[in-house]
Amino acid sequence: LAKTTQPISMDSYEGQEVNITCSHNNIATNDYITWYQQFPSQGPRFIIQGYKTKVTNEVASLFIPADRKSSTLSLPRVSLSDTAVYYCLVGDMTGGFKTIFGAGTRLFVKA
Amino acid sequence: ETGVTQTPRHLVMGMTNKKSLKCEQHLGHNAMYWYKQSAKKPLELMFVYNFKEQTENNSVPSRFSPECPNSSHLFLHLHTLQPEDSALYLCASSQASADNYGYTFGSGTRLTVV
Repeated sequence: LAKTTQPISMDSYEGQEVNITCSHNNIATNDYITWYQQFPSQGPRFIIQGYKTKVTNEVASLFIPADRKSSTLSLPRVSLSDTAVYYCLVGDMTGGFKTIFGAGTRLFVKA
Repeated sequence: ETGVTQTPRHLVMGMTNKKSLKCEQHLGHNAMYWYKQSAKKPLELMFVYNFKEQTENNSVPSRFSPECPNSSHLFLHLHTLQPEDSALYLCASSQASADNYGYTFGSGTRLTVV
């Protein structure tokens, strides 16, 4: 199972763009990269997923370099409600998606 | 609602009680999971079921007993728990295909052992 490393915490202000980078040096060929958001006392919620290059949806972008050993979650124009813990997961979808959750990145958005 | 429903949302139990947590998904997923999240700690994988067969038991004490009667339902039976077992218990499901989105989590059961 690929191990991931993220910053423990980040601070930002409303309206700014936030980039959270995750390192996953031992990512395997079949592994996908998935980011989740978790609010206190709730289950993590899917944000975005990618395999390589760039993926964009209505809430975020995910940048993955060619070597796939890292990825960057980009949140445009954050608001107070984006204060949460963000997890980067790396894993293969087949046979049950088993991964190790790291400590995640605690993002605090200030007014 | 995420499509994964957990009941109850909150549970307080004594150390000698027996209780069960229930998880239900109607997403057509073929894998289901139990995770434990203690205060300010990362999620810890407890059990994995793939097509109703248990494929992972992550060294979980026997006072936690999972049951997966079909691919839509998952239970966690609790017996003789300790106060340190107090945590948020999360159920998740996934579909093992190339274009799925990993896990879908329920809202969790907040368990307090007294």
